[in-house]
Amino acid sequence: AQTVTQSQPEMSVQEAETVTLSCTYDTSESNYYLFWYKQPPSRQMILVIRQEAYKQQNATENRFSVNFQKAAKSFSLKISDSQLGDTAMYFCAFMKHGGIQGAQKLVFGQGTRLTINP
Amino acid sequence: GAGVSQSPRYKVAKRGQDVALRCDPISGHVSLFWYQQALGQGPEFLTYFQNEAQLDKSGLPSDRFFAERPEGSVSTLKIQRTQQEDSAVYLCASSLVLVDSGNTIYFGEGSWLTVV
Repeated sequence: AQTVTQSQPEMSVQEAETVTLSCTYDTSESNYYLFWYKQPPSRQMILVIRQEAYKQQNATENRFSVNFQKAAKSFSLKISDSQLGDTAMYFCAFMKHGGIQGAQKLVFGQGTRLTINP
Repeated sequence: GAGVSQSPRYKVAKRGQDVALRCDPISGHVSLFWYQQALGQGPEFLTYFQNEAQLDKSGLPSDRFFAERPEGSVSTLKIQRTQQEDSAVYLCASSLVLVDSGNTIYFGEGSWLTVV
């Protein structure tokens, strides 16, 4: 079974600063996907960024980037030039590669509550 | 529809009541997931459908929980004889084809269930 651990329950930074959220995971799979999701108070999960395990290059999406360390099973999210709208819960999630079995379930961490202060 | 729609958004049930939660996925989406999110926790997988076939129900916590998707579109999660520990947000998610082909999973805003 896979597990995902987020060791920072809460974080708080000033607007325009850079913040890094940590995530580690445990799996015996060699091919899988990793995700960061944002959950505002409305509770709708919004995909922030996705990383395929077979890709060595770290994924980036505008102000969001990841540091994927496969050997260490670490997947951190860096938010640059943070904005007030970034305030939300952030969840790290794992999905194993489904192959011919197709879609697989997401395994989520416990989340990090991020607050961006003006 | 434009997004994954869930109803009701809020439900208060007395302990022992049966509840039904509805999910209307994005039109044409084949894959549909249900997750349970307790307060302060990450979502936990309940069940997965591919069209009308329920391919994985390993996350359903007890036989009081039942899900269906009879025509391969709208899905209903039913909880019988609700208990206080069932209080949570129930999230529905859908994906165009097989998630493994790289399609994004889209989540609804959830149904907030409180059992009193």
